[in-house]
Amino acid sequence: DGGITQSPKYLFRKEGQNVTLSCEQNLNHDAMYWYRQDPGQGLRLIYYSQIVNDFQKGDIAEGYSVSREKKESFPLTVTSAQKNPTAFYLCATTRTGIMNTEAFFGQGTRLTVV
Amino acid sequence: EDQVTQSPEALRLQEGESSSLNCSYTVSGLRGLFWYRQDPGKGPEFLFTLYSAGEEKEKERLKATLTKKESFLHITAPKPEDSATYLCAVIQGSSNTGKLIFGQGTTLQVKP
Repeated sequence: DGGITQSPKYLFRKEGQNVTLSCEQNLNHDAMYWYRQDPGQGLRLIYYSQIVNDFQKGDIAEGYSVSREKKESFPLTVTSAQKNPTAFYLCATTRTGIMNTEAFFGQGTRLTVV
Repeated sequence: EDQVTQSPEALRLQEGESSSLNCSYTVSGLRGLFWYRQDPGKGPEFLFTLYSAGEEKEKERLKATLTKKESFLHITAPKPEDSATYLCAVIQGSSNTGKLIFGQGTTLQVKP
């Protein structure tokens, strides 16, 4: 089955901890994205990557970091510098990073600070 | 600045009661407008892409239309299983990537 797998589904972070959210895809898509979703707000872009070993900051990158060592994987680390990390995190892919094609989304990771 | 605004925020319908959701957008050169459905606790599911004014797409009880300033998602004779949040997004006009600008969504509840 082709798709996007995000793990874990639920994640709890203590103050001062770094946590990493996983995103794996087997769609053979070039571009991958991380969005954050808060109640009452639209999805906001954190980071994106159009090709392996390259990525760019989105609109709300502060307190987050990413890597793109493999085409299939785009992990997101939420660092202790992110002051309000409680949110629903969504990973998405597009066939390429340039063409006007639709994005496909994973099922999300809900991160809660405890 | 690119912007997407959806209305209403919430909509309650009786089963069979047709209605429309609105997505108004401001973008420098529209390169694509997308509709997604999102169920609680799940990722958005792609519904439609519209590229130019006058374009229409249909899928079961849903029909999406596009003008130069807005898009409508028409729901004909909805069923309770159509209950979800519907998201509208446009490709950010100033970039050459697939970066999306999302509206806040319309949460639809269809009562039997």
